Amino acid sequence: KAGVTQTPRYLIKTRGQQVTLSCSPISGHRSVSWYQQTPGQGLQFLFEYFSETQRNKGNFPGRFSGRQFSNSRSEMNVSTLELGDSALYLCASSLVMGDGTDTQYFGPGTRLTVL
Amino acid sequence: ELKVEQNPLFLSMQEGKNYTIYCNYSTTSDRLYWYRQDPGKSLESLFVLLSNGAVKQEGRLMASLDTKARLSTLHITAAVHDLSATYFCAVLNYGGSQGNLIFGKGTKLSVKP
Repeated sequence: KAGVTQTPRYLIKTRGQQVTLSCSPISGHRSVSWYQQTPGQGLQFLFEYFSETQRNKGNFPGRFSGRQFSNSRSEMNVSTLELGDSALYLCASSLVMGDGTDTQYFGPGTRLTVL
Repeated sequence: ELKVEQNPLFLSMQEGKNYTIYCNYSTTSDRLYWYRQDPGKSLESLFVLLSNGAVKQEGRLMASLDTKARLSTLHITAAVHDLSATYFCAVLNYGGSQGNLIFGKGTKLSVKP
């Protein structure tokens, strides 16, 4: 079974530009979450989508947005990039197990560098 | 606001030794997770702990959860070099959906011969 895939794996942008990152969850998973990982702030929750609806949003400015398509694939967009947006962006999809547990499976991440 | 604290943040161990990583969280939550991250890699799920007193073991790693104390531990038994990685605990944000995890800062473990 294919894992979570993210594209592109690496991106270099300049301040003021915008960027779109893509995430394809594991087949059958309907929940997709996005996280930002930086050395200073660690792993921070951005938002979560389920069946094309945003269920939760973290404490990030409105420049960060996302969406989910009917096939559960998700994109996140960052507009007006700032140097501080340089980070590893991780996408995770999850499946609720029969015993009520759930496991989030993380993709390899997109490394964004803002110059 | 839910906060998750891990300690220690850095841990240098010798092979064969035992040690414990601690994860404290500030408010009630339904679930606690442990993840492993190798340098330059993504996160790998290790354990999901649901209830008070839950204990799970996989190889040399054992995780436990005390919801009353809001404390989880990750115990490493007879460490080997392959366990060198950064370990994160994460807590489901209460009232949030399953996708909203609050992570600790991570414990960078280095196992030396």
